[in-house]
Amino acid sequence: NAGVTQTPKFRILKIGQSMTLQCTQDMNHNYMYWYRQDPGMGLKLIYYSVGAGITDKGEVPNGYNVSRSTTEDFPLRLELAAPSQTSVYFCASRREGMTDTQYFGPGTRLTVL
Amino acid sequence: GQSLEQPSEVTAVEGAIVQINCTYQTSGFYGLSWYQQHDGGAPTFLSYNALDGLEETGRFSSFLSRSDSYGYLLLQELQMKDSASYFCAVRDRGNRDDKIIFGKGTRLHILP
Repeated sequence: NAGVTQTPKFRILKIGQSMTLQCTQDMNHNYMYWYRQDPGMGLKLIYYSVGAGITDKGEVPNGYNVSRSTTEDFPLRLELAAPSQTSVYFCASRREGMTDTQYFGPGTRLTVL
Repeated sequence: GQSLEQPSEVTAVEGAIVQINCTYQTSGFYGLSWYQQHDGGAPTFLSYNALDGLEETGRFSSFLSRSDSYGYLLLQELQMKDSASYFCAVRDRGNRDDKIIFGKGTRLHILP
């Protein structure tokens, strides 16, 4: 099992550009999450999904979009990049069950200049 | 709404014991989780408490008091490799009870 994978690892964008951050998990987890983490700060929930075709907003959804067409994939779309979106983005997945254990991907470090 | 409070930094000596506290406020409550994150790395799961009491996993233990909306992570026999940030997290019970929210994290500094 590869677990949760994210691509790319690093990216530099210019203001106004768009990009998609990819996230894939091979554990057949229903629940998937996108977080952003600014330097020295905690994790802020952007969007989450409870299954294919179902997504919901988290704490900081503005400027982002998601889709969930399959159980495995949960891409995050930035439409018009802004410097405020410079951050490290983590994708996580969780299996439905008695615990809240989340498995995180290695992260994507994004800089918007 | 939800909120989690934990100290921003804690310093301890190698070989000692340290406790990291977390208080939470949620509209509903399932349980309290703890994660560890080393610099440049991803968070990794440490422990989960759904019921009151102490859960022990090796050198790490986690405690929960639901009536006090309070929990803590206890690290024993501290090693230099335990230098990291530690986050508490809760899953909210509401319209979408699968929204998991994290505290701002506690940076643990270990002195030799």
